[in-house]
This record gives sequence, structure tokens and C-alpha cells, in this order.
Amino acid sequence: DAMVIQNPRYQVTQFGKPVTLSCSQTLNHNVMYWYQQKSSQAPKLLFHYYDKDFNNEADTPDNFQSRRPNTSFCFLDIRSPGLGDAAMYLCATSLAGGGTGELFFGEGSRLTVL
Amino acid sequence: GQSLEQPSEVTAVEGAIVQINCTYQTSGFYGLSWYQQHDGGAPTFLSYNALDGLEETGRFSSFLSRSDSYGYLLLQELQMKDSASYFCAVLNDYKLSFGAGTTVTVRA
Repeated sequence: DAMVIQNPRYQVTQFGKPVTLSCSQTLNHNVMYWYQQKSSQAPKLLFHYYDKDFNNEADTPDNFQSRRPNTSFCFLDIRSPGLGDAAMYLCATSLAGGGTGELFFGEGSRLTVL
Repeated sequence: GQSLEQPSEVTAVEGAIVQINCTYQTSGFYGLSWYQQHDGGAPTFLSYNALDGLEETGRFSSFLSRSDSYGYLLLQELQMKDSASYFCAVLNDYKLSFGAGTTVTVRA
């Protein structure tokens, strides 16, 4: 049973047209992350929520925003997608203090920008 | 900040043993994780080392030396399905920072 679910799996948008990607989890984990992964590169952390506390990485562009309305859901908003934002967007969860080094990833949302 | 180095690619035959090294520089360190990612798929967790030494999980083992800022992932009895990218990742508090990944290709 999928524990971290991302929708949509594939998203095609036009240059500058806003996009929202969603993530839901059934693990009741208190930390949720958004990573961006471009082809043949490492996943890059954009931001994360520790409970309701939002933590932005210093180099995450302002074009990227996130919302976490409750423990189970988290959204990634890309306000004005550019060609350089085409990537796989990965949502992950963890239990802070678990001490296992394990993040649980969703299957990802692949964004294409035309 | 975080800096991780691992080889970009490794090729081996079925049944062989492969070792993927990872060196890291980090401002904070809780432990070293390893993830596997098949083409088009999500990263999946393989192992985690918080203390020095070897952790064995079936055909895969992982090693950590904190004093050397070094770890490795050992893949034994390679199978075709092991063809994938393998990432080392540093855990700092509850944030995970990934290396660039090693592409492992298994040949018959």
C-alpha cells in the first residue's frame, strides 16, 4: 500500500502558467520534504516542514512556495514555471527523532514546461 | 554546507561484488544513508550508519568511518535488477543531503 502519494504523476504546463503538485501521507510523520531532481542529478532539497514550521533552503527560488494545511497533506506551488524548472519533484516524509536516516519517498511528479 | 563525493559510474558482471565509496564534508553529521533509485522511480532506502562499522542487510552492506568522513556501500552477488543509481546521503538533524549518485550497470 502506497504510504506517500503524489499527484499528478505527470504534469505538463506552459511557460509561466502556475502549477500545484500535491503530496499526501498515511504514515503520520511530522516532517515532510520537497526535493527537486533533474535528469541524472541528485535530489535537491527545496524546503521542508517540521510539523507546521516551514523551513526554506537558502538557494530555493522565490518562485517555489509550499503549503501544509494538515499533517497528511503538503503542496508545492510553482508560481511561474520556467524551462529550467522541468524536473521530477519528490515528496518525502520522516519521523523526526527516529534516528534511522530513512526518508519515505513518493513516486514523484514529473513536470514538463513547454 | 554539505559536500559528498562518490564515483559517477561503475560497471560489473552478474555475480560480482561492487563497492561504492563516499566521502563527505559537512557542518553537522548524524549518520550516512544509502538509497537506490531505478530509472524513473523514487529513491528507496537501503541502509543507514550512525556509528563506525559495518551494517549488513542481505546482499548489501554499508560501512562508516566517522573519523575519516568516509563510507561505502558493498553490493554482493550482483543481479541484473541491481542496475540503478545509488546515492549516499548525509543526515544532519532530520535533513538529508544527497551525493551526485553512482550509476551501476550490471552486465550478463
